[in-house]
Amino acid sequence: NAGVMQNPRHLVRRRGQEARLRCSPMKGHSHVYWYRQLPEEGLKFMVYLQKENIIDESGMPKERFSAEFPKEGPSILRIQQVVRGDSAAYFCASSPASWVANEKLFFGSGTQLSVL
Amino acid sequence: GQQLNQSPQSMFIQEGEDVSMNCTSSSIFNTWLWYKQDPGEGPVLLIALYKAGELTSNGRLTAQFGITRKDSFLNISASIPSDVGIYFCAGQFEKLTFGTGTRLTIIP
Repeated sequence: NAGVMQNPRHLVRRRGQEARLRCSPMKGHSHVYWYRQLPEEGLKFMVYLQKENIIDESGMPKERFSAEFPKEGPSILRIQQVVRGDSAAYFCASSPASWVANEKLFFGSGTQLSVL
Repeated sequence: GQQLNQSPQSMFIQEGEDVSMNCTSSSIFNTWLWYKQDPGEGPVLLIALYKAGELTSNGRLTAQFGITRKDSFLNISASIPSDVGIYFCAGQFEKLTFGTGTRLTIIP
């Protein structure tokens, strides 16, 4: 059983470029969550998606950040015009049902984004 | 927003010692979870607690869901080298909110 798969593991971008982070949830999971972790800090919620729907994006910056989870394919977290402050580890998690049901979240290994 | 205060921030112990860490919150949670994160990896779920007062064990790990639903603790007995890492509590009420982490180091 494959776990949550994230790629790339490491992504280097120059200021002003775009970053695309991919997440394939565990088999049978239709709920995806993105979290950001700055060095020496805990994980901060960004966005919660189901297939083709954004359920909660209250943790996502209003500008430059967007997320999608299409009917087919992985979930994508997109950061446009990256700045140095975007450098962080971005983690994706998935669950089989809504977190209203208090389902456990399983995390991927993360994408480490470095902005030069 | 919900905030979780996790303590201690770091611990330096000798192999074989017991470890205790806790989380407190200003808000009530329906579920408490404890995760361990190794360098360069995502958090791995250790224990999940679903009811106030619940005490759950997973091998050498024991965790409790506080009666007030605003706190939880994690104990590790007889620590071994592979216990090194960062431990996060997480409270769930719709969103999953993470604590600031406890970094565990084992002194040779």
